Amino acid sequence: QKEVEQDPGPLSVPEGAIVSLNCTYSNSAFQYFMWYRQYSRKGPELLMYTYSSGNKEDGRFTAQVDKSSKYISLFIRDSQPSDSATYLCAGSLGGYQKVTFGTGTKLQVIP
Amino acid sequence: GAVVSQHPSWVICKSGTSVKIECRSLDFQATTMFWYRQFPKQSLMLMATSNEGSKATYEQGVEKDKFLINHASLTLSTLTVTSAHPEDSSFYICSVRLTGGLTDTQYFGPGTRLTVL
Repeated sequence: QKEVEQDPGPLSVPEGAIVSLNCTYSNSAFQYFMWYRQYSRKGPELLMYTYSSGNKEDGRFTAQVDKSSKYISLFIRDSQPSDSATYLCAGSLGGYQKVTFGTGTKLQVIP
Repeated sequence: GAVVSQHPSWVICKSGTSVKIECRSLDFQATTMFWYRQFPKQSLMLMATSNEGSKATYEQGVEKDKFLINHASLTLSTLTVTSAHPEDSSFYICSVRLTGGLTDTQYFGPGTRLTVL
């Protein structure tokens, strides 16, 4: 079992839709959770990070962590074609412990 | 955040040659940098942790004699792929990490695409 699992997609949605991206993880010791956006042939770009359970909102993006179910979500409101990318979730124990990434979900927002 | 650059952005080389990739932290002094490799449609795989002034720490299965890492200053780490072969063709990405308190974030460079013929 991979430590962090994501549905690879692709997930296709019409412009303006609400997008829900999800990950599950197996390491109950993870305390820090991150979402990255990666465009083709580019390095990942940090979108959001959260500590422990709860929600965090930044503009059109909301990150949600439920440690009881080991579930991580990223919601994108009013999705735009420019949101089309691969979204990677990640978890870590913090400090300089290894960050473990999911394989990414490819999102396509259709105009 | 932190701004990270890599050079070159892409490189094509012949099998058997060595290739050096530079990673620079432009606005943050990083005692620790990380090197990842990403194959098509796969996730980021940590190769090694680069420590300023000391030896790098390699992940299991990564050959330290093949992937030489030098972290000579707080803003520069280099990865040298020695005697490169076609199976080493991949996307190599470095990162710096800001961690402490409620923060654990990682900032990536733009990546270097290596193609070995």
